[in-house]
Amino acid sequence: DAGVIQSPRHEVTEMGQEVTLRCKPISGHNSLFWYRQTMMRGLELLIYFNNNVPIDDSGMPEDRFSAKMPNASFSTLKIQPSEPRDSAVYFCASSLSGLAGGPSGTDTQYFGPGTRLTVL
Amino acid sequence: GIQVEQSPPDLILQEGANSTLRCNFSDSVNNLQWFHQNPWGQLINLFYIPSGTKQNGRLSATTVATERYSLLYISSSQTTDSGVYFCAVSYNTDKLIFGTGTRLQVFP
Repeated sequence: DAGVIQSPRHEVTEMGQEVTLRCKPISGHNSLFWYRQTMMRGLELLIYFNNNVPIDDSGMPEDRFSAKMPNASFSTLKIQPSEPRDSAVYFCASSLSGLAGGPSGTDTQYFGPGTRLTVL
Repeated sequence: GIQVEQSPPDLILQEGANSTLRCNFSDSVNNLQWFHQNPWGQLINLFYIPSGTKQNGRLSATTVATERYSLLYISSSQTTDSGVYFCAVSYNTDKLIFGTGTRLQVFP
């Protein structure tokens, strides 16, 4: 398997522009996660889906952020309008979820390479 | 929510040395994972270890869930082990809470 695929790998945009980040999870995985990593806040979960349904979006910073998962092999994270404070590395991860505590370790999360977003 | 503390925050080693990284968590967990973030930013899952001991080559991990800690052992460290090591936990949810990490630098 190719692993989790994210695009673009780097994005530089100007404040106020719309940004769309894309993710293709590992085939067969049923959970997908969007994380953001910054020096100040570390790694924080923004939202996660199970079987294409959003389960917890409490980490989404504000209404400017939205995420969709139209099918099992694709998800997007959109920021509109973007602001300089949104600059960060955004990771997508996927897992075969047993809703935690899976005895065979099926909840292992596999991360994509990340998208480095810079908002000027 | 669950609090995760990792120690030490920074670790500098010479190649060949052994090290132990610690992860303390404040509440019961049934999901604990160790990750390595290499200098290029890639996050690699090392272990899924909610309890017990596992080994993978020069790396091993032990989690004592009743005492709320996990240890990651790195033996005969190599320069390629450099990076940041994260511990992440959860309880009855897929939502992992990450620690702040241990930054490891291995010099030749």
